[in-house]
Amino acid sequence: GEEVAQTPKHLVRGEGQKAKLYCAPIKGHSYVFWYQQVLKNEFKFLISFQNENVFDETGMPKERFSAKCLPNSPCSLEIQATKLEDSAVYFCASSQGPGREQYFGPGTRLTVT
Amino acid sequence: AQSVSQHNHHVILSEAASLELGCNYSYGGTVNLFWYVQYPGQHLQLLLKYFSGDPLVKGIKGFEAEFIKSKFSFNLRKPSVQWSDTAEYFCAVRSGNRDDKIIFGKGTRLHILP
Repeated sequence: GEEVAQTPKHLVRGEGQKAKLYCAPIKGHSYVFWYQQVLKNEFKFLISFQNENVFDETGMPKERFSAKCLPNSPCSLEIQATKLEDSAVYFCASSQGPGREQYFGPGTRLTVT
Repeated sequence: AQSVSQHNHHVILSEAASLELGCNYSYGGTVNLFWYVQYPGQHLQLLLKYFSGDPLVKGIKGFEAEFIKSKFSFNLRKPSVQWSDTAEYFCAVRSGNRDDKIIFGKGTRLHILP
């Protein structure tokens, strides 16, 4: 598609439950990025992929967060045992390659109660 | 480590006023610079970007920004704002060494009074 698609739009989970978010990059884009926006401002880089390979995971909390990009499937970001501080909007972006413009999706709002 | 500092957390202007939002970054090497806008309830949109060349960059909706390398600054300007410019504005930097992650500032909330 011509836009980055993210599902679901909103996700509510009780503390300790699992959350899984999906991202379909723009067709032809081989790089995918995940960012977390907490409290409507602070953006934090989480992880990036080049096709199905992790490109940079320096921002990922190791304990409960995991992500995958498998061939012919949307990319996913999974949070095991969610905590209140995981409440945020999670944005996915895609690009054609290093140094190219990143296009952002509409985000998934995760609320942990 | 790279960082981005936006000077103004919240700006209130009347329509037709001129706008300048400050942005400074810290990184010693080659950088790509961006300004993004997030309208209420919407996702991030790219206003303008600087990769190389003319340091005065023109973007969409009448916005422009000037890259001043000696000051590590990339301030956003608009000569005459409109009520529809009410939004959150994010300055961002990406290192030119192609690790590719974008580092965002904390954002400036712009409120335009009709």
